[in-house]
Amino acid sequence: NAGVMQNPRHLVRRRGQEARLRCSPMKGHSHVYWYRQLPEEGLKFMVYLQKENIIDESGMPKERFSAEFPKEGPSILRIQQVVRGDSAAYFCASSPRERGEQYFGPGTRLTVT
Amino acid sequence: TQLLEQSPQFLSIQEGENLTVYCNSSSVFSSLQWYRQEPGEGPVLLVTVVTGGEVKKLKRLTFQFGDARKDSSLHITAAQPGDTGLYLCAGGKLSFGAGTTVTVRA
Repeated sequence: NAGVMQNPRHLVRRRGQEARLRCSPMKGHSHVYWYRQLPEEGLKFMVYLQKENIIDESGMPKERFSAEFPKEGPSILRIQQVVRGDSAAYFCASSPRERGEQYFGPGTRLTVT
Repeated sequence: TQLLEQSPQFLSIQEGENLTVYCNSSSVFSSLQWYRQEPGEGPVLLVTVVTGGEVKKLKRLTFQFGDARKDSSLHITAAQPGDTGLYLCAGGKLSFGAGTTVTVRA
C-alpha cells in the first residue's frame, strides 16, 4: 500500500511565477491536509479538504493561495505570484476519517528566487 | 485554537543516555499523537494516546498521556544516534507543537 505521495519534491520558482504542489493521498483516504514548515519550526496548518470540499481553510493566507481536491486526481495547492517569503517545505497528510491519524508525504521544498 | 507547547526546544545527549520531552496544553484533548521527523522527510507517526493516564511503549520509547488529557511525555531509554530527529506532538483540531529537536551523539 503506497504512502502519501507528493510531487515535485523540489520546486524552484522566480518571484511572480505560480507554484503548483500535488498530493496523492493513501489509498482509501478521503481527507487531505496541507501544512507549511519553515526551517527548525513545527508544522503550520493551512487547509483541510475532503473530496471536492474545503472543510477548513483557516490557516491559508487570504490572497494568492488556493487548494482543491477534485473527485478524480490529486489534491493541488496553488500559490500564485510567489514571493521570497513563500519559500518553505509544504507537507501534505491524509487520513481515512475526520480527525483521524494523519500520514504525511515527503514534502515539497519550494524555493523562490 | 488549541495550543500545544513542547519542551525543551533542543536536546543534545550522548548515546546511551535517557531523555524526556514534554508536550503541554491548557486544553483537553480527546487524543494526542507523537511524530518523528528526520531532515528532508515528512513526519512519521509514532503513536496515538487516547485515554487519560495511558502509557504506551514502542521498544525504547515510552509515551504517557496525562490523567487530565492536557499533557503528554515521551521518554527514550538508552538513546541511539538513530533516535535523532524532530519530535512533534499533535492533537485536537489540526494543532501541532513546535517540536523538540533531539540530537544523539555517538
